[in-house]
Amino acid sequence: DIVMTQSPDSLAVSLGERATINCKSSQSVLKRSNNKNCLAWYQQKPGQPPKLLIYWASTRESGVPGRFSGSGSETDFTLTISRLQAEDVAVYYCQQYESSPPTFGQGTTLELK
Amino acid sequence: QVQLQESGPGLVKPSETMSLTCSVSGGSISNYYWSWFRQPPGKGLEWIGYVFYGGSTDYHPSLRSRVTISADTSKNQVSLRLASVTDADTAVYYCARTPGIHLWFDFWGPGTPVAVSS
Repeated sequence: DIVMTQSPDSLAVSLGERATINCKSSQSVLKRSNNKNCLAWYQQKPGQPPKLLIYWASTRESGVPGRFSGSGSETDFTLTISRLQAEDVAVYYCQQYESSPPTFGQGTTLELK
Repeated sequence: QVQLQESGPGLVKPSETMSLTCSVSGGSISNYYWSWFRQPPGKGLEWIGYVFYGGSTDYHPSLRSRVTISADTSKNQVSLRLASVTDADTAVYYCARTPGIHLWFDFWGPGTPVAVSS
């Protein structure tokens, strides 16, 4: 299985500031057939299911605010929230889908400072 | 807008078989992959497996011997059966849709909690 490791485990950011979450895979998740990275990001609030934010490492899901962006390639990826809003407080997960089984990072808890 | 709703018994006895159903509304289960996940209390997400509407499946290797996922197009439902449950199977169980052959998940049900206890 591909192991996904996120950093940090928790993060406190002030309103309006930038939040950056990192995700590292134990092997490359770049799909050579289409030269795309098989990496998704999700947001999960307490008592709710995960919500898809980004797939193909940097493609924003329809309806997701533009302050959310994803970057990276091969084994190192980043989710950036450019100007933190109160409703962004949540746990964030990365997930690889390059090989089965799809696997998730352990999660990063984002709080307000 | 596609909506998913999990249902099933909230309590299962050890060694028994757990059965959950995911009812899909607002769209057909045809032409999509449907996955099950679980999330133990306070922990992260684990993919259990998927079914394609035509019946093909794939399961997490650690659960393969105990899991069956199936699709019923006439009822627009997807089902999960997990045999020989133990305390370690206590979790919130989610179903979710994959929009294509690549396994990211765009629509999720609200989840249903399952506790394994005698």
